[in-house]
Amino acid sequence: DADVTQTPRNRITKTGKRIMLECSQTKGHDRMYWYRQDPGLGLRLIYYSFDVKDINKGEISDGYSVSRQAQAKFSLSLESAIPNQTALYFCATSDFGGKGAFFGQGTRLTVV
Amino acid sequence: GEDVEQSLFLSVREGDSSVINCTYTDSSSTYLYWYKQEPGAGLQLLTYIFSNMDMKQDQRLTVLLNKKDKHLSLRIADTQTGDSAIYFCAETASGAGSYQLTFGKGTKLSVIP
Repeated sequence: DADVTQTPRNRITKTGKRIMLECSQTKGHDRMYWYRQDPGLGLRLIYYSFDVKDINKGEISDGYSVSRQAQAKFSLSLESAIPNQTALYFCATSDFGGKGAFFGQGTRLTVV
Repeated sequence: GEDVEQSLFLSVREGDSSVINCTYTDSSSTYLYWYKQEPGAGLQLLTYIFSNMDMKQDQRLTVLLNKKDKHLSLRIADTQTGDSAIYFCAETASGAGSYQLTFGKGTKLSVIP
């Protein structure tokens, strides 16, 4: 089983709909992140969490919200999806120590 | 804010060495990373280097860090077709213990058989 699991892997939704992307991890890491990847723009940080009680906005948090339900679970919500939120979304985890983050396989979201 | 720059494309012949370059602006960068992304997949951590090191070697991979010039490179020896992927440089600063990653836009490596 993957260490960082994202569901769903692919999703098509309509403009204005609410959608939740879920992430769970078995690495035992405290820190979890949501990134968005767009062609030619690299990865940009949406939100990050250091533990269950700590949530922080990243570079591009507008239009998104998150919930850290447990140490192992971190979900990303789009309250009212819009077409320019079409992108590849990645969840990642890391421990304290700077040895890098570990990524899930990604969720490809299309908003029509 | 912090910025990480990479060239977008690199093409090499199978068996040659590949060198992917990256520059960064944050002088407080503590750790620097190379990630690999194959088509349809997530990012795989290849290697990382602490800012107090200038070289790290791991099998076919050699990372060189010039902290004075804020330049990081990844050399892949004996490049194979399976090395075709997008390679991301990333850095993080340990300020406030955050270890947030800042990524470059990625270099697409194409290996010609």
